[in-house]
Amino acid sequence: DVKVTQSSRYLVKRTGEKVFLECVQDMDHENMFWYRQDPGLGLRLIYFSYDVKMKEKGDIPEGYSVSREKKERFSLILESASTNQTSMYLCASSLVAQETQYFGPGTRLLVL
Amino acid sequence: RKEVEQDPGPFNVPEGATVAFNCTYSNSASQSFFWYRQDCRKEPKLLMSVYSSGNEDGRFTAQLNRASQYISLLIRDSKLSDSATYLCVVNKVKAAGNKLTFGGGTRVLVKP
Repeated sequence: DVKVTQSSRYLVKRTGEKVFLECVQDMDHENMFWYRQDPGLGLRLIYFSYDVKMKEKGDIPEGYSVSREKKERFSLILESASTNQTSMYLCASSLVAQETQYFGPGTRLLVL
Repeated sequence: RKEVEQDPGPFNVPEGATVAFNCTYSNSASQSFFWYRQDCRKEPKLLMSVYSSGNEDGRFTAQLNRASQYISLLIRDSKLSDSATYLCVVNKVKAAGNKLTFGGGTRVLVKP
């Protein structure tokens, strides 16, 4: 079975802090994704990566950056957390970009 | 117009009944379609892919109507465990690479 893990289930941070969310997958997938999920807005793509050191902006990249130094690991960085970044963050991976995505359990981030 | 639209529900369904709901998509060039299931406070998981000819997986039937640009999901003999949010997912064809676009989800509540 594909396993996607995220470093934290719950995080509480203060406005202005730098926040790192880590995601690791164990299936040698080329593609990895970061989404945020908010009530009424569904899942929105922040960034994705189709190879090591490659990244592409999703639909809402503002305020975020990413890092993919190793194939299995995709990090989401909030350079200066703001209250409007309070959300559920979901990482996913897939073998082929437009096919089945496997999700991690999510990180609930609260920015105070 | 949203790229992928779903009735948010909730659809209140008596146990054993049949429920069906649709999802409309705006990009006629979309090629891949999926239904994901998301339980409360959990990550989305693939329920089934949707093929042009329609497909069935046990009590679940998915249909694609390209002419009217919608996909549907039908659940027969509903079980209490079918209570979840069902996410419609469509691939987003774009020059820079294909991505998946998620609908906001349709909530289904199966009651005894």
